[in-house]
Amino acid sequence: DAEITQSPRHKITETGRQVTLACHQTWNHNNMFWYRQDLGHGLRLIHYSYGVQDTNKGEVSDGYSVSRSNTEDLPLTLESAASSQTSVYFCASSRSGNEQFFGPGTRLTVL
Amino acid sequence: GQSLEQPSEVTAVEGAIVQINCTYQTSGFYGLSWYQQHDGGAPTFLSYNALDELEETGRFSSFLSRSDSYGYLLLQELQMKDSASYFCAVTGSSASKIIFGSGTRLSIRP
Repeated sequence: DAEITQSPRHKITETGRQVTLACHQTWNHNNMFWYRQDLGHGLRLIHYSYGVQDTNKGEVSDGYSVSRSNTEDLPLTLESAASSQTSVYFCASSRSGNEQFFGPGTRLTVL
Repeated sequence: GQSLEQPSEVTAVEGAIVQINCTYQTSGFYGLSWYQQHDGGAPTFLSYNALDELEETGRFSSFLSRSDSYGYLLLQELQMKDSASYFCAVTGSSASKIIFGSGTRLSIRP
């Protein structure tokens, strides 16, 4: 069955370190998205991609970067982790705007 | 810019009906979606409305009024397992990009 996975599921890191969160989907979807979820803010879009070599900034992209070298993967990198980036991160994919399929999430703590 | 408004919390009784409203402001509009998220889980898709219509899927219905920039999710015959957060989301300036509201936490009492 097609699925979308994220790793790691939990991560603790220190301020200033570079962190990469992985997202892998087997739906063969062109569209992939990264969100962060904080209490009271719902899901906020960080970066998104409409296909290989395409990346776009979302509403909260500062301090984050993504790259899309193939259809299946969209890794999210925190260049220099900050305590404000402590959050739950969700990756999602879609074929169109109608329905997004979400991964299980990564809980990131920056100390 | 884009913004969505929905109540932060709603409480209802098991077996009853509840309506969760959503108003939006967007620079472009393709459609309104609803997602459900249980505590500790990932959001899952419930419904999508592109036209002024009532969409029904089992106990859940979703309605859209484009002229009023308004939609709602209707949950009937509430069950305890419906306790979750519900997010409305707008597909706005891009046909594939979704902006989410802050979510409505639905609590159900026996």
